[in-house]
Amino acid sequence: KAGVTQTPRYLIKTRGQQVTLSCSPISGHRSVSWYQQTPGQGLQFLFEYFSETQRNKGNFPGRFSGRQFSNSRSEMNVSTLELGDSALYLCASSLDAGARGGYTFGSGTRLTVV
Amino acid sequence: AQSVAQPEDQVNVAEGNPLTVKCTYSVSGNPYLFWYVQYPNRGLQFLLKYITGDNLVKGSYGFEAEFNKSQTSFHLKKPSALVSDSALYFCAVRDMGGPGGGNKLTFGTGTQLKVEL
Repeated sequence: KAGVTQTPRYLIKTRGQQVTLSCSPISGHRSVSWYQQTPGQGLQFLFEYFSETQRNKGNFPGRFSGRQFSNSRSEMNVSTLELGDSALYLCASSLDAGARGGYTFGSGTRLTVV
Repeated sequence: AQSVAQPEDQVNVAEGNPLTVKCTYSVSGNPYLFWYVQYPNRGLQFLLKYITGDNLVKGSYGFEAEFNKSQTSFHLKKPSALVSDSALYFCAVRDMGGPGGGNKLTFGTGTQLKVEL
């Protein structure tokens, strides 16, 4: 079966712009989480959605937002981009609310802010 | 809050030798522990998980991990390393501390494994 699909794979944006990243989870998975990976901060949790509801949010400014649709696909948006937002953004999906089956990650979206 | 620590930034091993990548954890309650591997410019690939049951967990690509409750450790091991195992390895713990009952993974800082001929 298809894995977690993230689009686009690469993005280059200018400071001050906004960007939207997309994540399609594994079919049947209802939980989607987002993570930011940078060399300095490592892997940091952004937010988690389950059945269109945000259940958990990391310590990021309000410029970072997300949503989940009824088909479980998720988007995250970053407004007023800053150079420090350059990172690999990873999406993970899980089958159930408790994540007993673990998480499957997508290949990520590499965002570069110039 | 839950946390994991990977004390080694880099581990070097010769091909054919056994490898160990260390991870210790700090959790309240029963831990859900994971190992992931990341190749350059790629996402995280799942290797194995411990939820409950046998302390020795077998995973993908010949990797295994031993859950040790008394030492709060979950070290990743492989009997015979391959050059192709060279990658960045992350230990993670599931954290259920979200206000809405949500989950998240808390990751260690990662260990770069280098397997040389």
